[in-house]
Amino acid sequence: KQEVTQIPAALSVPEGENLVLNCSFTDSAIYNLQWFRQDPGKGLTSLLLIQSSQREQTSGRLNASLDKSSGRSTLYIAASQPGDSATYLCAVPPGGSEKLVFGKGTKLTVNP
Amino acid sequence: DADVTQTPRNRITKTGKRIMLECSQTKGHDRMYWYRQDPGLGLQLIYYSFDVKDINKGEISDGYSVSRQAQAKFSLSLESAIPNQTALYFCATSEPTSGGAKDTQYFGPGTRLTVL
Repeated sequence: KQEVTQIPAALSVPEGENLVLNCSFTDSAIYNLQWFRQDPGKGLTSLLLIQSSQREQTSGRLNASLDKSSGRSTLYIAASQPGDSATYLCAVPPGGSEKLVFGKGTKLTVNP
Repeated sequence: DADVTQTPRNRITKTGKRIMLECSQTKGHDRMYWYRQDPGLGLQLIYYSFDVKDINKGEISDGYSVSRQAQAKFSLSLESAIPNQTALYFCATSEPTSGGAKDTQYFGPGTRLTVL
């Protein structure tokens, strides 16, 4: 059974810092890995999707990497801003499955 | 206008009541999903549907039922609500890319359900 773990559960940083969020998964047979952002009281917004054949994806100040063999992904946020404060979730569809298995998220607070 | 909408956004009900949560999408996607989110547990899949004639149970379907009325509409029902069904409920849609790769899922804003 696929399990997804995110460390740390919460992170507080001063504005301007570069930071890394971690995601690990137990079954490397995945089609892709997605990173989502969730704001309080709101739904999830997809940030980046990395296909299994890719090693990284970039969008603005965000860079996500994927190492299937080790079962790990990282989300790098450059020059963090208070507006980046949210919960970040990673999710994978287990091999052959349409269903997403989510981590419990990392709650990020960026202090002005 | 939002691509995936959910109604109601908030609902308080009593134990034993029947509740229906509705989801509509304008993305034209065939695939739709219902998740629940509990503090400290992450999101768990309740039901999913690949088209109007294809409905599948997820990890935690007991106590829930669904109806896919049309490509754009997917409803979740709690036949007899109980307090441990208090949670945040999300609807999502997706469409596979060509070549079989799995595409991103698009989420609605969520429904906060409280069962007293």
